[in-house]
Amino acid sequence: QVQLVQSESELKKPGASVKVSCKASGYTFTDNALNWVRQAPGQGLEWMGWINTDTGNPTYAQGFGGRFVFSLDTSVSTAYLQISSLKAEDTAVYYCARDADQLLFLYWGQGTLVTVSS
Amino acid sequence: SFELTQPPSVSVSPGHTARITCSGDALPRRYAYWYQQKSGQAPVLVIYEDDKRPSGIPERFSGSSSGTMATLTISGAQVEDEADYFCYSTDSSGDHYVFGTGTKVSVL
Repeated sequence: QVQLVQSESELKKPGASVKVSCKASGYTFTDNALNWVRQAPGQGLEWMGWINTDTGNPTYAQGFGGRFVFSLDTSVSTAYLQISSLKAEDTAVYYCARDADQLLFLYWGQGTLVTVSS
Repeated sequence: SFELTQPPSVSVSPGHTARITCSGDALPRRYAYWYQQKSGQAPVLVIYEDDKRPSGIPERFSGSSSGTMATLTISGAQVEDEADYFCYSTDSSGDHYVFGTGTKVSVL
């Protein structure tokens, strides 16, 4: 069955960087794009963008360019979200999610909490 | 910028019907999707393409769309349906996706 397993929670200081991983299993990794979604504490869901797992080409939603970078390692079926120059407002749970044809975001990772605090 | 607006909260008594709305300018031309998120858990897709239900989602969940408004209906709400619900769609160009503002459903 399809599984998306994300890395553990991270505690970082302002100005540092973090790399969140999303390891896929149960299907051919390059067959489906992966999306990233952010959820700040007590807030709603924000679509951050997606990465084409076949070409590696990322697409970023408005407000998620620059410090946010999507990447892949297809040899281990893993997608990454790297955030640089961390700010307190980056504190959030970050999810990866995959579509299944017209069923958008059918599969979700368990989420990774990134806490930015001095 | 493209936005989807939902009411912040909806309350319903067990066994009664809850309706959650999602308003957006592009909805006449774009599908709406609905997600249920229980506390501390990842979201779950409950409706796709306006009115289709994924396998395993109870029949009491249904969706509809008319004009600039999509609606998620929970018929015969159960206590376990208490959660946050988010709609999701895209703007007219199809390039920008966004989640709705979210609705907290209380069943009491």
